Amino acid sequence: RKEVEQDPGPFNVPEGATVAFNCTYSNSASQSFFWYRQDCRKEPKLLMSVYSSGNEDGRFTAQLNRASQYISLLIRDSKLSDSATYLCVVDPEGHSGTYKYIFGTGTRLKVLA
Amino acid sequence: GAVVSQHPSRVICKSGTSVKIECRSLDFQATTMFWYRQFPKKSLMLMATSNEGSKATYEQGVEKDKFLINHASLTLSTLTVTSAHPEDSSFYICSARDGDRESSYNSPLHFGNGTRLTVT
Repeated sequence: RKEVEQDPGPFNVPEGATVAFNCTYSNSASQSFFWYRQDCRKEPKLLMSVYSSGNEDGRFTAQLNRASQYISLLIRDSKLSDSATYLCVVDPEGHSGTYKYIFGTGTRLKVLA
Repeated sequence: GAVVSQHPSRVICKSGTSVKIECRSLDFQATTMFWYRQFPKKSLMLMATSNEGSKATYEQGVEKDKFLINHASLTLSTLTVTSAHPEDSSFYICSARDGDRESSYNSPLHFGNGTRLTVT
């Protein structure tokens, strides 16, 4: 089983739609979780960290489900500019004082006019 | 916010030459930097973890003699691709975490803008 798994998509949604992505991780001791956004041929940019209690930033909501070992990202009222690849990042070793960030393969989102 | 600068952004070199990529943290000190490689339409793959003042930790399958990493100061790490071959053509990205400013957990990575290497 891969350490971090995502559905590669693509997810094609109309403008204004709500879309959700999940990401599963294999190491139950993982402590740190993030969602990044990557545009074509660019570096990843931090979208949001994922906190245990869940967190929201504008149209974006992130959730953590430790029991089932997955994190999710919900995007409401999709905009054309949301089209990108969304990367799930897990740090399976942060709790031990070392850090090793593992990236999922990314989920491609395309918002259609 | 934390800024990571990577240089050069693009390089084209001939097979057999060596290429050095620099990664700098501009407004924070980074005791740890990470080097990733990304092939087209693929995920970022961690190559190595660069530790200031000590040897880098390489991931399985990454040749340490081929990809030389030096982290001589708290703000600079370099990756040298030695004797580059066409199969080394890829997008190389460095990143760092600002461990001093942010809490130990949930400390995100800040990325350089990447180096697109093409070996002819």
